[in-house]
This record gives sequence, C-alpha cells and structure tokens, in this order.
Amino acid sequence: EIVMTQSPATLSVSPGERATLSCRASQSISTYLAWYQQKPGQAPRLLIYGASTRATGVPPRFSGSGSGTEFTLTISSLQSEDFAVYYCQQYEGWPLITFGPGTRVDIK
Amino acid sequence: QVQLQESGPGLVKSSQTLSLTCTVSGGSISNGDYYWTWIRQAPGKALEWIGYIYYSGGSYYNPSLKSRVSFSVDTSKNQFSLKLRSVTVADTAVYYCAREEVTGGMGLYGLDVWGQGTTVIVSS
Repeated sequence: EIVMTQSPATLSVSPGERATLSCRASQSISTYLAWYQQKPGQAPRLLIYGASTRATGVPPRFSGSGSGTEFTLTISSLQSEDFAVYYCQQYEGWPLITFGPGTRVDIK
Repeated sequence: QVQLQESGPGLVKSSQTLSLTCTVSGGSISNGDYYWTWIRQAPGKALEWIGYIYYSGGSYYNPSLKSRVSFSVDTSKNQFSLKLRSVTVADTAVYYCAREEVTGGMGLYGLDVWGQGTTVIVSS
C-alpha cells in the first residue's frame, strides 16, 4: 500500500497571504495525485487531479505541482472561504487509493 | 448535474451489519464512464477508501475491509449499496458515496462528485 504523508499538520495563515502545503508518497506515483478541500460538516471537494490540473470551477489561486514522491498545493492569496482541511490522495495504486492525513489551514 | 445521496440507519449495534444506500440523481448509474465509490471518515480522522463498484456489478474492495464488506448495484433504482458485516465501534464514521470517472479501466481524474455523507454510530 502506498502511504501518503502531509506537512505541516496545521498551517496558520493570514488572509491574503500565500499558503504552501506539502504531500509526500512512500513510493513514486508519477503525477497520479489529487487534492481535496474539506470544510467542517461538508464532504470533500475535488480541487486538483493529475497533480496540477484544476477541477471544474476551482479558482486559479489554487495550483498544484510535483511528481514522483513530492507534491505541493499552493493557495496564492488566501480567502476567508479557503480555511479548511486539505487532503492529498494517490491513485497510482488504483483501484487501491489512499489519502494523506490532511493539513488544516486556519486563520493566523 | 449529478447528485449523490446516502441513506441508512444512523445507529447500528456492535456485531451486526451496517447497510447503506447511495441514490444517484441527475444522471444514470449505468453510465459506463464512472466507478461508484464508498469512503468513510472516522471522527477526527482522515478519509479511508472502502471500495468501488461498477454498474455491471464488478467491485474492488480495500484489503483491510475485504472480508467484511460487499457492494451491490440496482440500476433500475439508480442506486448502489454497501454492507459491512460484524461491525465494531471502530466502524463509527461518516460514510460518503462518490463518483470517479474512468478512462482505460482506471480512475484518472479524482473523485469529482460526493454525497453529503451520513453518520453511522456503532454502539457496543
């Protein structure tokens, strides 16, 4: 099983600042990586797939990069609605997909 | 647009069987472009993939749950279902159904549509 790790566990950011979230895979997953945003009491929302392709309707302030084992989600200028938990998910091992433990982005 | 809605008992006794259904609206479950998925999230924990089912009935299960879980699909009702046997308190979670587009027999585009989730508590 491919194990995903994320850092930091919590990121405190002021509105308007940039946020950089990291995700690491236990083995190479090429670009078979997705990012999700989850707000309290809500289902996750797909943000990025293929490591860098934004899903339909996702604002351009969200960008993804990386390949192999190291990946980054960047939120260029945090808006109030962006404070949430972010999960990465690998699908190189499809159908056995696995998620990271999440990074909480909260208000500084 | 396609919407998913989970339904089922919110409380299950330990050692019994948890049964949930996901109803698909705004599209057909028989659309061969998608796999239909179950995912769960224990309180304060990360997401855990339970498995996939295709409209034809073909399924994949998480090896950690494979001995206790089964899926089914009812195309006439546009629904798919989950059964998890011999539950324990560790199975207490929010259960989500979701959709994944398939290309070349593989999901490549992430889980793009999710249900709102249903909370299941297993009582001892």
